[in-house]
Amino acid sequence: AQSVTQPDIHITVSEGASLELRCNYSYGATPYLFWYVQSPGQGLQLLLKYFSGDTLVQGIKGFEAEFKRSQSSFNLRKPSVHWSDAAEYFCAVEEDSGYALNFGKGTSLLVTP
Amino acid sequence: NAGVTQTPKFQVLKTGQSMTLQCAQDMNHNSMYWYRQDPGMGLRLIYYSASEGTTDKGEVPNGYNVSRLNKREFSLRLESAAPSQTSVYFCASSGAGTDTQYFGPGTRLTVL
Repeated sequence: AQSVTQPDIHITVSEGASLELRCNYSYGATPYLFWYVQSPGQGLQLLLKYFSGDTLVQGIKGFEAEFKRSQSSFNLRKPSVHWSDAAEYFCAVEEDSGYALNFGKGTSLLVTP
Repeated sequence: NAGVTQTPKFQVLKTGQSMTLQCAQDMNHNSMYWYRQDPGMGLRLIYYSASEGTTDKGEVPNGYNVSRLNKREFSLRLESAAPSQTSVYFCASSGAGTDTQYFGPGTRLTVL
């Protein structure tokens, strides 16, 4: 079965600093990959997704992610973090079944002034 | 356009009680899903429905049942609630298997 690993449980960055959240997956073929964000007490919102083609994908709110097949990674980046980016971030991979997502355990982002 | 709606938002049950969590989507999506979210565990799939009239088990189906009432609605039932089912429950829908999943706001359930 596919698995998704987000190595960092918590990350703290200063406002204006750059951000990179790590995501690694295990899957034999090219997976479908997603990043979601969850603000406190809210549901999940899609930031971006990768299905095929250009390995650098752009998302909403100034986020981007790069698919690296050789490293089995799909890291999320943002050049300059805003206080409103404080949230929980989830990486997800489409399941073998083709119908459901397998989520990582999430990375909690804290933004300091 | 409301997207995915869930009711109730909050619920407290006693062990052994039953309840049904409701989910509806107005995006004409074929697929619908139920997840539970627990601290440090991410989201885990309980059940999903690839299309109207079909349902399948996910990673953690024990203690739950589902009904795909029609294309819009997908309910999750706890027949005899247990404290281990204390969690936040999210419903989601998508147009097809590889399409983006859209999530509801969640139901926070506490079982005493």
